[in-house]
Amino acid sequence: DVKVTQSSRYLVKRTGEKVFLECVQDMDHENMFWYRQDPGLGLRLIYFSYDVKMKEKGDIPEGYSVSREKKERFSLILESASTNQTSMYLCASSSRTGGTQYFGPGTRLTVL
Amino acid sequence: GEDVEQSLFLSVREGDSSVINCTYTDSSSTYLYWYKQEPGAGLQLLTYIFSNMDMKQDQRLTVLLNKKDKHLSLRIADTQTGDSAIYFCAETSHYNTDKLIFGTGTRLQVFP
Repeated sequence: DVKVTQSSRYLVKRTGEKVFLECVQDMDHENMFWYRQDPGLGLRLIYFSYDVKMKEKGDIPEGYSVSREKKERFSLILESASTNQTSMYLCASSSRTGGTQYFGPGTRLTVL
Repeated sequence: GEDVEQSLFLSVREGDSSVINCTYTDSSSTYLYWYKQEPGAGLQLLTYIFSNMDMKQDQRLTVLLNKKDKHLSLRIADTQTGDSAIYFCAETSHYNTDKLIFGTGTRLQVFP
């Protein structure tokens, strides 16, 4: 079974803090994705990566950056957290041929 | 642009059939997906259909694809309380087949 894990299920941070969300997959997938999920808006793509050290902006990259130093690990960074970044963050991975994405359990981030 | 639309809520009685509908814009999508999200969890792949198929059945789940109308539906037979969740429809992006475009999700509530 594909397994995608995320470093925290719940996280509470203060405005202005630097926040790291980590995601690890064990299926040797080339593609990894970060989404945020907000009620009524579905999933919105923040960033994705095709390979180590490669990244592409998604639909809402502002306020976020990413890092992929190893194939299995994809990190999302909030350089200076703001209250409007309070959300559920979901990581996913897929193989190089694309298609089916496998998701982690999500991190619910609250920024006070 | 690319868009996937779903109604936000559906309420059914236990034992009845549920039908969750989705419309999409990109007729060139290769695959269309249904994901399920239980409370507080990530997205779980339920099923998918290749674009050259009209129907796919998997136990209690039936997926129907009407390419002419760009309409996808998920039917759950004998709906159980454990089926209560948010269901997301997704299509592969025309511009990048590694990306998925998600709908807003339909919250299915099953009552006794």
